[in-house]
Amino acid sequence: NAGVTQTPKFQVLKTGQSMTLQCAQDMNHEYMSWYRQDPGMGLRLIHYSVGAGITDQGEVPNGYNVSRSTTEDFPLRLLSAAPSQTSVYFCASSPGGSRGYGYTFGSGTRLTVV
Amino acid sequence: AQKVTQAQTEISVVEKEDVTLDCVYETRDTTYYLFWYKQPPSGELVFLIRRNSFDEQNEISGRYSWNFQKSTSSFNFTITASQVVDSAVYFCALSSRTGANSKLTFGKGITLSVRP
Repeated sequence: NAGVTQTPKFQVLKTGQSMTLQCAQDMNHEYMSWYRQDPGMGLRLIHYSVGAGITDQGEVPNGYNVSRSTTEDFPLRLLSAAPSQTSVYFCASSPGGSRGYGYTFGSGTRLTVV
Repeated sequence: AQKVTQAQTEISVVEKEDVTLDCVYETRDTTYYLFWYKQPPSGELVFLIRRNSFDEQNEISGRYSWNFQKSTSSFNFTITASQVVDSAVYFCALSSRTGANSKLTFGKGITLSVRP
């Protein structure tokens, strides 16, 4: 049971480049979400999904897109990377509903935009 | 809207001291869950505890204990006889159910340094 898998673990981008951070879970969880962690800011919610085909914005959605075509995958797209998007990104999943509220986090992606 | 406040930003103690990490939360929901996560220097997020809003019993797990008080909207975490391996960033988090959504709101974290 792999849990939540994030790829890549590290990435350096040039300003203006685009890329996709991958997140996959094998626990059949309904809820998936993306957070970014910045020093002194804690973890802030970027986007989340309550099921396949349903996504919504979190606290800091600008500059990011998501889609949820399957239950397992929830990729995060940076359309035109900016230095302000330098951060550590975490993907999380949760069963939701009557199955409780345990959250499982991926190991993180450290992104640097130069 | 929900909010988690961790007023302490950095705490430094000497090994074997007890230390309490404070967490105050705000939510309008009557059903919610509170969490503590540990983030060691390696960077991963380690789940420590989940507590639901209907269970105010304190919990003890080895050297760790948690004090949940709805009257003061607090969910404090105490480490007894701290060890160097406890050095990490600790996050308190809150999840409320709003419709069909489930969002986890984090505090800004407390950096704990335990010196030998």
